[in-house]
Amino acid sequence: AQRVTQPEKLLSVFKGAPVELKCNYSYSGSPELFWYVQYSRQRLQLLLRHISRESIKGFTADLNKGETSFHLKKPFAQEEDSAMYYCALSPISGGYNKLIFGAGTRLAVHP
Amino acid sequence: DGGITQSPKYLFRKEGQNVTLSCEQNLNHDAMYWYRQDPGQGLRLIYYSQIVNDFQKGDIAEGYSVSREKKESFPLTVTSAQKNPTAFYLCASTQGAATNEKLFFGSGTQLSVL
Repeated sequence: AQRVTQPEKLLSVFKGAPVELKCNYSYSGSPELFWYVQYSRQRLQLLLRHISRESIKGFTADLNKGETSFHLKKPFAQEEDSAMYYCALSPISGGYNKLIFGAGTRLAVHP
Repeated sequence: DGGITQSPKYLFRKEGQNVTLSCEQNLNHDAMYWYRQDPGQGLRLIYYSQIVNDFQKGDIAEGYSVSREKKESFPLTVTSAQKNPTAFYLCASTQGAATNEKLFFGSGTQLSVL
């Protein structure tokens, strides 16, 4: 079964500390993976996708097919990073954009 | 201001009543989606539409219906057959229907049962 697991409901860190939000997936093929973010009082929006190999707001995520993981990392957390983060998987088969979302991790960055 | 508009922000449903959630987009996107979000769970796909006058069931379509008569509009009706309708509903769109497209989300509608 296709599934995305985010094991932590809440991750609490201090400003300047490194951050790693975990995401594991189960999918038999080669998936496309995304991180979406929702800041307070804002809409859910795309943060980054693995095919772009980009760094957005200092965040990076590497697809590890051996461990079936797509953890989101940032070396130095900022208070404005506090938000709800969702990992999502898009199955290649099907020919349409059908994202499977994890339950989300709330990141709280304290001063 | 381009984007996706969902209304109302809050909606209450009585037992046995059908209610309709509105979703309008002015992004000229082809594909539109409805997701349901429950506390502690990720978003689950209810219905999606890749093109006008066509839509497909998602993972949890039972008790819901949709229409796509216009490109910019994708209303969701929560019918009386949906026994647990209390949830946060999100509408989204993508420019096309490819698997790696960026989803644009509305601000959501919270539906509660009276």
